[in-house]
Amino acid sequence: DTAVSQTPKYLVTQMGNDKSIKCEQNLGHDTMYWYKQDSKKFLKIMFSYNNKELIINETVPNRFSPKSPDKAHLNLHINSLELGDSAVYFCASSQDHGTGNTIYFGEGSWLTVV
Amino acid sequence: AQSVTQLDSHVSVSEGTPVLLRCNYSSSYSPSLFWYVQHPNKGLQLLLKYTSAATLVKGINGFEAEFKKSETSFHLTKPSAHMSDAAEYFCVVSTDSWGKLQFGAGTQVVVTP
Repeated sequence: DTAVSQTPKYLVTQMGNDKSIKCEQNLGHDTMYWYKQDSKKFLKIMFSYNNKELIINETVPNRFSPKSPDKAHLNLHINSLELGDSAVYFCASSQDHGTGNTIYFGEGSWLTVV
Repeated sequence: AQSVTQLDSHVSVSEGTPVLLRCNYSSSYSPSLFWYVQHPNKGLQLLLKYTSAATLVKGINGFEAEFKKSETSFHLTKPSAHMSDAAEYFCVVSTDSWGKLQFGAGTQVVVTP
């Protein structure tokens, strides 16, 4: 009965590889997000989708590509992984976009690039 | 523009004593404010939120926060710390119509027996 679930939880991969992190929410929410938490625990938004449409696209390298096949899923694909991509990636969702909406986070995906 | 400043990067308290985590924000518009908690190797859990209703907001696990517009503050308190409160706490502001959250740098809480 997990609200926002993401897989894998841990991922260790070599530089140059391509990897994906999957996210699903069963809350019936319209809006989904990807946040990145760096080694100093600072969290920053990367992308947001509302009903499968991209609404927030922060300054993120083109190697990162989100894909939303339906409003319950938002996957993150990363090409040509670099050492600096090592971080925790959090998927999240909210009823809709807009200030005041509670955003529910997944458990995080720990990505280590070696 | 919006921003959040958590005034303490690290707070250490004894079990059973009060906890105070300080947060100041800046925002051009009426903000929504949140406190999230992150336990080690876990995701973020919402403790409480303020969205222009009552200025004193009660959350889960005995936490509460008071919105003070004149001081642009949203400090988090708990009267009596428990060992399970040891975690990282994030003050968060949202004024963006797209739902973008601005996170503070976090405050690590250590609870000693």
